[in-house]
Amino acid sequence: QAVVTQEPSLTVSPGGTVTLTCGSSTGAVTSGHYPYWFQQKPGQAPRTLIYDTNNKHSWTPARFSGSLLGGKAALTLSGAQPEDEADYYCLLSYSGARVFGGGTKLTVL
Amino acid sequence: QVQLVESGGGLVKPGGSLRLSCAASEFTFSDYYMSWIRQAPGKGLEWLSYISSTGNSIYYADSVKGRFTISRDNARKSLYLQMNSLRAEDTAVYYCAREDGYNIWGQGTMVTVSS
Repeated sequence: QAVVTQEPSLTVSPGGTVTLTCGSSTGAVTSGHYPYWFQQKPGQAPRTLIYDTNNKHSWTPARFSGSLLGGKAALTLSGAQPEDEADYYCLLSYSGARVFGGGTKLTVL
Repeated sequence: QVQLVESGGGLVKPGGSLRLSCAASEFTFSDYYMSWIRQAPGKGLEWLSYISSTGNSIYYADSVKGRFTISRDNARKSLYLQMNSLRAEDTAVYYCAREDGYNIWGQGTMVTVSS
């Protein structure tokens, strides 16, 4: 089974920009992996921010965007807010099976 | 409102079995693929399995293949996860989620495997 890798932790200043990445042990991440990005705050179920690489749900703040960058899936946060401090997980699909990344703990400080 | 409610979690001894249920409401359950996902205490998310809308297509993570079985009853608007040969490392909160963008999640049910 593939291994999906994310930065364990990142810090961003309020108002700053940060990019979280999601790599695959099988090679470059493509749109065919249908990358998802989830946000999870303590004690809450995860919620989807981005699906199919760069699509947003109605509740996704405009400051979040998804893309493919250097062979990885990427989640960019532009203009970080204190409420964006959370754990972020990517999910990739592999011809049926899905695999989560280990998650990135984002600190806004 | 559109929601998923898991049930069936609890304390079970190693080697034991448990069946989780996920009840859907306010949407046409039979139209959607569904997944089970878990999260061990203080750890990340782990995708376990999905089942197609008709039940004809099923996938499992390697970690649970051969021990866990996903199923659904569209008439009862319910999703199930039969868990056998449970191990301490299966201790986690178990979530069901709707696969269309994973935009609907249940609140989770806790499973503790301990002697």
